[in-house]
Amino acid sequence: RKEVEQDPGPFNVPEGATVAFNCTYSNSASQSFFWYRQDCRKEPKLLMSVYSSGNEDGRFTAQLNRASQYISLLIRDSKLSDSATYLCVVIHNYGQNFVFGPGTRLSVLP
Amino acid sequence: DAGVTQSPTHLIKTRGQQVTLRCSPISGHKSVSWYQQVLGQGPQFIFQYYEKEERGRGNFPDRFSARQFPNYSSELNVNALLLGDSALYLCASSRDRVGTGELFFGEGSRLTVL
Repeated sequence: RKEVEQDPGPFNVPEGATVAFNCTYSNSASQSFFWYRQDCRKEPKLLMSVYSSGNEDGRFTAQLNRASQYISLLIRDSKLSDSATYLCVVIHNYGQNFVFGPGTRLSVLP
Repeated sequence: DAGVTQSPTHLIKTRGQQVTLRCSPISGHKSVSWYQQVLGQGPQFIFQYYEKEERGRGNFPDRFSARQFPNYSSELNVNALLLGDSALYLCASSRDRVGTGELFFGEGSRLTVL
């Protein structure tokens, strides 16, 4: 079993749609959690951190369920510019190892 | 300020050859880590260096080695290249050793092994 797993995708949604991505992790000692975004043939960039209390940044909401070892990302009112691959990232071993999931590709269609 | 810079951006090698990839972190960042990204997958952790010492190593064979220089730049070396080493090699820098979640990536070095 992979350490971090994500919805296989791709997700093809119309503009304005709400889309949710799921991520599970296997290491219960994981300490920190993040979502990164990677545009086609570009480097990954931090989208947002994920906190146990849940956090929101504009149209984006991230949630963490430590008991279920589950992380989610919700995107509301999708824009064409949201088209990218979304990578779930888990940190353990005192920050020495960032473990990336395989990513879920999103295409927002006009 | 300049971001993370990597060189070369693209290179083609043949099986059995050796390759050296270079990375300059953001000014003031002391930690550099290397990742391998195969098409369609997420980045896989190879090494982390902080203050010129190896602080973490992923599940890669000994053919992979790296080092960090006094100016915090870094090199990744891969010996005896295999076809399966074809990938995008990403360098990321961060200010501190302990992860805060913000890794700043370079655009990568795309290696093709024939």
